[in-house]
Amino acid sequence: NAGVIQTPRHKVTGKGQEATLWCEPISGHSAVFWYRQTIVQGLEFLTYFRNQAPIDDSGMPKERFSAQMPNQSHSTLKIQSTQPQDSAVYLCASSSQGGAETLYFGSGTRLTVL
Amino acid sequence: GDQVEQSPSALSLHEGTDSALRCNFTTTMRSVQWFRQNSRGSLISLFYLASGTKENGRLKSAFDSKERRYSTLHIRDAQLEDSGTYFCAAAHTGANTGKLTFGHGTILRVHP
Repeated sequence: NAGVIQTPRHKVTGKGQEATLWCEPISGHSAVFWYRQTIVQGLEFLTYFRNQAPIDDSGMPKERFSAQMPNQSHSTLKIQSTQPQDSAVYLCASSSQGGAETLYFGSGTRLTVL
Repeated sequence: GDQVEQSPSALSLHEGTDSALRCNFTTTMRSVQWFRQNSRGSLISLFYLASGTKENGRLKSAFDSKERRYSTLHIRDAQLEDSGTYFCAAAHTGANTGKLTFGHGTILRVHP
């Protein structure tokens, strides 16, 4: 079991460019979560999917951020027109059922917007 | 205000000593999970509790089963490899959701 896999580990973009972050959940897990970690805000929930359907995106910034889960083996987080304040570590997690149970996190993608 | 208040924010321990971290919740929570974040940034799950206590080696965690408004993580006989940042995270009651609200973390340094 490889755990939750996130790629790339690091991404540097220029202001205004697009960034796409990838997540492969643990095989057999039906829920995928996206979180963002910064020094100032700490760990913040962004969005989550259960059985590929979006369940709760209450943490997603209303503009420029979108997430998809086209199949059960991967999810993407896309940020359009990146801004310096988007710089953060983006963490993906998966769980077996998507309920109140153990979450397993990937190693994260460190996004730096210049 | 913050719904998950974690303390202390930083902790320095001598090897071999014991200590405890605590998280207070401003509202009743369904469950709590404790993580350690290592130097590479990986969040390692230590415990998931819906009630009661769990123990794993030198670590023990408890979740207040009555009020469901606080949780503790006890570290016994601290070792150098215990150093890292510890987070608690709680799931709200109501909808059965895995969405977690995190505390701001405790930076633990264990020194010889």
